[in-house]
Order: sequence, then C-alpha cells, then structure tokens
Amino acid sequence: EIVLTQSPGTLSLSPGERATLSCRASQRVSSNFLAWYQQKPGQAPRLLIYDASSRATGIPDRFSGSGSGTDFTLTISRLEPEDFAVYYCHQSETFGQGTKVEIK
Amino acid sequence: QEQLVQSGAEVKKPGASVKVSCKASGYTFTGYYIHWVRQAPGQGLEWMGWINPNSGGTDYAQKFQGKVTMTRDTSISTAYMELSSLRSDDTAVYYCARGGRRVTTVAAKFDYWGQGTLVTVSS
Repeated sequence: EIVLTQSPGTLSLSPGERATLSCRASQRVSSNFLAWYQQKPGQAPRLLIYDASSRATGIPDRFSGSGSGTDFTLTISRLEPEDFAVYYCHQSETFGQGTKVEIK
Repeated sequence: QEQLVQSGAEVKKPGASVKVSCKASGYTFTGYYIHWVRQAPGQGLEWMGWINPNSGGTDYAQKFQGKVTMTRDTSISTAYMELSSLRSDDTAVYYCARGGRRVTTVAAKFDYWGQGTLVTVSS
C-alpha cells in the first residue's frame, strides 16, 4: 500500500502570496492517478486537481498541479481569502495527512 | 447537476450498528463506483471501501473487513454503508463520494461528495 506524505504540515502565508504544497509517495504512482482536494471546516472535501495536473470543473486557474512518479506539487499562484483551508493529496485508497494553509 | 445526499446524523451506543444512506441524482447511478470515506474529529480522511452500483461488487479496506457492509438499491439510486460493533473510535463524519467509471479508474478521483453524516458512538 502506498503511503502519501504531505509537507509542510502547516503553511502560514498572506493573501496574494504563492503557496507550494508537496506530496511524496512511498512508491511510484501508476498512471499519475494523483488528486488534490480542498476542505474547509464543516464541509466535505472538494476535488481540485486529478491525474496530477488536470483541474476539476469550475476550479480557478490559480490552482495548478504538477509532478510524476513519486513527487507531486499543488501550487496556488496567488492566495485568495477563500483559499485558506486544509489540502489533501489522494492516490487510490490512500490520503495524505493534509496541509493546513493558514493566514499569517 | 450531479449530487449525493446523505442521511442525517446518528447517535449510537457501543456495540450497536449504524446504516448510512447516500442518494445519487443528476447522473446514471450504475455508471460510477461509490466510495465511503470517514473523518474522525480533527483528523484526516480515511478510505473505507467501494461498491460497484451496477454489479453490487465491493472492495473494503483491510481495516474494515468484517465490520463494514456496503450495499445499494438501484431502483432508488441509493448506496448504503452499514458499520457494526460500533466503538467510541468509530465516532466520525462518514462521506460517500463518486469514483470512476471503470475498474482501472475506480479510485482515480472522487469528483462529487455527499455532505457527510456524523455518527456519534457514546454510552
């Protein structure tokens, strides 16, 4: 079973700054089936990115995904107030432990 | 518009069972796998398993084998997740989510999620 390790655990940034979130897999991810979700308090997760780099329907283009093999990155180019949340990477039956993006 | 709507919150005593429903609308229910994911208070996401609404076939995470049963009723486009022998550490929000269309992409992405059902286990 693949283990996904996200870093950092918490990212403290200001609106307008760039956020870079990392997800490392313990073994190669097949077909780049790596997804990213955003979760806000009291809400269900929302799909942002799938297949490592494809944006889901309705997701703003400030969100982008990259990577392959075992190393993947979610980038938020300019943080908006509504982007402060917890982000999870996901591969098949496994989720990362999450990265919290908080307001500095 | 695709939507998954779950049943309401439950409070159960230790040792009891709970059955959560997930009603799909806006798409062909039998065309996509349904997954169940739980989230304990303040914790991350934990995958529990999936059901193929077309065939009724299931696959459960090893941790939940013998404890979870996933079923469906295609006549009302609804999937169910039953958890037995409840313990306090089963207290969590339980989500259903739509997966892929084929076995090769069954868990490639979860594009629609239910609103979540809080199950509280307390004596």
